[in-house]
Amino acid sequence: AQKITQTQPGMFVQEKEAVTLDCTYDTSDQSYGLFWYKQPSSGEMIFLIYQGSYDEQNATEGRYSLNFQKARKSANLVISASQLGDSAMYFCAMREGSNDYKLSFGAGTTVTVRA
Amino acid sequence: EADIYQTPRYLVIGTGKKITLECSQTMGHDKMYWYQQDPGMELHLIHYSYGVNSTEKGDLSSESTVSRIRTEHFPLTLESARPSHTSQYLCASSPHRTGGREKLFFGSGTQLSVL
Repeated sequence: AQKITQTQPGMFVQEKEAVTLDCTYDTSDQSYGLFWYKQPSSGEMIFLIYQGSYDEQNATEGRYSLNFQKARKSANLVISASQLGDSAMYFCAMREGSNDYKLSFGAGTTVTVRA
Repeated sequence: EADIYQTPRYLVIGTGKKITLECSQTMGHDKMYWYQQDPGMELHLIHYSYGVNSTEKGDLSSESTVSRIRTEHFPLTLESARPSHTSQYLCASSPHRTGGREKLFFGSGTQLSVL
């Protein structure tokens, strides 16, 4: 079964606007972590933000925020004030348990920022 | 930020050749991983290691093999390359801490094309 589901294969956003990228996950573990990574066309994976299952506050890192809805098993990424450099592929990933270090990735969402 | 290096960046090779993709990190991380990614698709874990002399197969079956003789080095070998091995291979590492919050640091990847 798919552990991470990203239903938006591609999105367009106007520069300076906000965009929300959807991510739902499936796990029976009580302890888990959720990550978002950005992959520009150059291919490297850049860490953006992390949310732990026991974290009470939604994570924020600069222009990135994570809308964590535990009951719905969703961890949507919000990018505020989009910039042209935000054009990339974005991956949601999950680590299950507190001692397992492997990440399972979703299929990704391609974001294109228009000037 | 990331001190994890992959060589070569691009490799075009004929069917049947033996190849080794190199991955080294200077951060002293215990844990290292190899992911395979087809263009525009999700990452699939093919191998991982939690320390020297420790290697495990990942979620996606792969004909490749790995070794971990030194902490900083985690090479991936294909004994006989085939066109089906054409893909991007991403190496990653993470530190040994409990709690599950540790992110993966990724290399720039090796784009392999087997003709």
